Amino acid sequence: GNSVTQMEGPVTLSEEAFLTINCTYTATGYPSLFWYVQYPGEGLQLLLKATKADDKGSNKGFEATYRKETTSFHLEKGSVQVSDSAVYFCALSDKNSGGYQKVTFGTGTKLQVIP
Amino acid sequence: GAGVSQSPSNKVTEKGKDVELRCDPISGHTALYWYRQSLGQGLEFLIYFQGNSAPDKSGLPSDRFSAERTGGSVSTLTIQRTQQEDSAVYLCASSASRGTDTQYFGPGTRLTVL
Repeated sequence: GNSVTQMEGPVTLSEEAFLTINCTYTATGYPSLFWYVQYPGEGLQLLLKATKADDKGSNKGFEATYRKETTSFHLEKGSVQVSDSAVYFCALSDKNSGGYQKVTFGTGTKLQVIP
Repeated sequence: GAGVSQSPSNKVTEKGKDVELRCDPISGHTALYWYRQSLGQGLEFLIYFQGNSAPDKSGLPSDRFSAERTGGSVSTLTIQRTQQEDSAVYLCASSASRGTDTQYFGPGTRLTVL
């Protein structure tokens, strides 16, 4: 079955530091890949996505590139801010036999950015 | 526009009691998902509804869990005879159609079983 593995947290960075959160996946088909973010006290929201190999998703200064050869979708940001403190979930979406998009999530990585 | 809403936001119950959790998806969204987020764990898929099709219940952890979706809109997740291990945040998400891959999440219901 499909699975997503992401680096364990928590990750603590100083403001303006470079961020990388690693994510690798296992899938039998050709999934779409996502990063969702969960700010404190809020629900998950889509941060960025990529639907095919070599696509780069980007939003709010975050980027991730769909690497089929390494089955990875690492999240990066050049300069983090305190407001980026949240839990980040890597996920993949693949059509199942019923034709709907079943999403598999990683365990989440908590990021804390200190001033 | 209105997003996915869930109620209650917090629920504290005693072991052995039944609880009902409600989800209102985004208007017009035909697909609805329930997930469970336990402390330190990722999101665990519970159940999926798509229109009038039979739901995919493959993620429900036991027969104490059930869900229904009335009129293709509001959904209720019911947990009977709650156990302490049921304590978690229960998240609902909806998407526009069966083939759409982006899901929109509600804020969740935090369930605590004493």
